[in-house]
Amino acid sequence: GENVEQHPSTLSVQEGDSAVIKCTYSDSASNYFPWYKQELGKGPQLIIDIRSNVGEKKDQRIAVTLNKTAKHFSLHITETQPEDSAVYFCAARRTGNQFYFGTGTSLTVIP
Amino acid sequence: GAVVSQHPSWVICKSGTSVKIECRSLDFQATTMFWYRQFPKQSLMLMATSNEGSKATYEQGVEKDKFLINHASLTLSTLTVTSAHPEDSSFYICSATPPSGRYNEQFFGPGTRLTVL
Repeated sequence: GENVEQHPSTLSVQEGDSAVIKCTYSDSASNYFPWYKQELGKGPQLIIDIRSNVGEKKDQRIAVTLNKTAKHFSLHITETQPEDSAVYFCAARRTGNQFYFGTGTSLTVIP
Repeated sequence: GAVVSQHPSWVICKSGTSVKIECRSLDFQATTMFWYRQFPKQSLMLMATSNEGSKATYEQGVEKDKFLINHASLTLSTLTVTSAHPEDSSFYICSATPPSGRYNEQFFGPGTRLTVL
């Protein structure tokens, strides 16, 4: 099956700085890569996703890049704000619905 | 759109009792729902895949007689933790996939915190 690794496990940045979270996957057939934000005591919320036929996608301060050859994808958050503090999970999915999640990154934005 | 609700949001029960958790897709029909378990500061662990009108598919190591899943309609799946014990205490999260969702996205519910005394 798929194996998704996520780094770092914790990340602290100053408000206004950028944050980058990286994930690698093992199954070359994976074709969909979502990122979720989970706040304490809540379910994960989809923040951005990318398909395998696209190398980069941006939505305001959030961007995701995908390198299919190297089998890794990254989440980039620019101009971080305190409300960005949360746990972020990456996931990979091949055709068939089952998602494989990374181990999560706890992001703290220091005011 | 694509809202998934869970009920209850938290529950405390005595050891040996059974607890039912509901997962509803509020504005779409979900042919497939997923149940996850999450321990503190850990990732989501897929427990089972629930398909409307058929038996759930359980992941390896998940006791099907312990965690009963029923997906009776296109908008409702239930997870019943039978004869709950303290080790079953966890955060349970469901997700749902629309039949023709964009890239088969999964939409997550807000989770249910189960505490077994």
